[in-house]
Amino acid sequence: GENVEQHPSTLSVQEGDSAVIKCTYSDSASNYFPWYKQELGKGPQLIIDIRSNVGEKKDQRIAVTLNKTAKHFSLHITETQPEDSAVYFCAASSRGHDMRFGAGTRLTVKP
Amino acid sequence: SQTIHQWPATLVQPVGSPLSLECTVEGTSNPNLYWYRQAAGRGLQLLFYSVGIGQISSEVPQNLSASRPQDRQFILSSKKLLLSDSGFYLCAWSQGVGGKTNYGYTFGSGTRLTVV
Repeated sequence: GENVEQHPSTLSVQEGDSAVIKCTYSDSASNYFPWYKQELGKGPQLIIDIRSNVGEKKDQRIAVTLNKTAKHFSLHITETQPEDSAVYFCAASSRGHDMRFGAGTRLTVKP
Repeated sequence: SQTIHQWPATLVQPVGSPLSLECTVEGTSNPNLYWYRQAAGRGLQLLFYSVGIGQISSEVPQNLSASRPQDRQFILSSKKLLLSDSGFYLCAWSQGVGGKTNYGYTFGSGTRLTVV
């Protein structure tokens, strides 16, 4: 089955700096890669996703890149703000109901 | 628009007592439904998923069970809770278009269960 590894487990940046979170996956059949943001005491929320036919996708300050050959994908957050502080999860899926999540990255943005 | 409801938000139960957590989805039909557990500061562990009424797949053998009595209702149960069952339980749904197209999951707000 799919195995998703996520790094780093914790990340601390200064407000205004960029943050990068990286994930690798094992199943070459995976074709859908979402990213979730989880604030304290709440359920994870989808913030951006990318499909295997696309190499990069942007939505304002966040972007995701995918390298299918190397089986890794990354989340980039630019101009970080304190409200970006949360736990971020990457995930990979090939059939919809087989989504596997990374272990999560706790991002802290210091004012 | 689609919404997911999960309750209760918090629950404190004694060891050995039964458990029933309920999740319902509105605004869609034939969704895939999921139960996840999240230990404190940890990742998401898939417990059960369902692609249709009465169809339940278990990812982790344990003293929990799940049922899907209606298309948009998913229930997590236990006959006797253990201390190790404490955690944050999340229900989620995704579009179930024949399982051929991937869509993101939408999570509920979670139930924090403390077994004492």
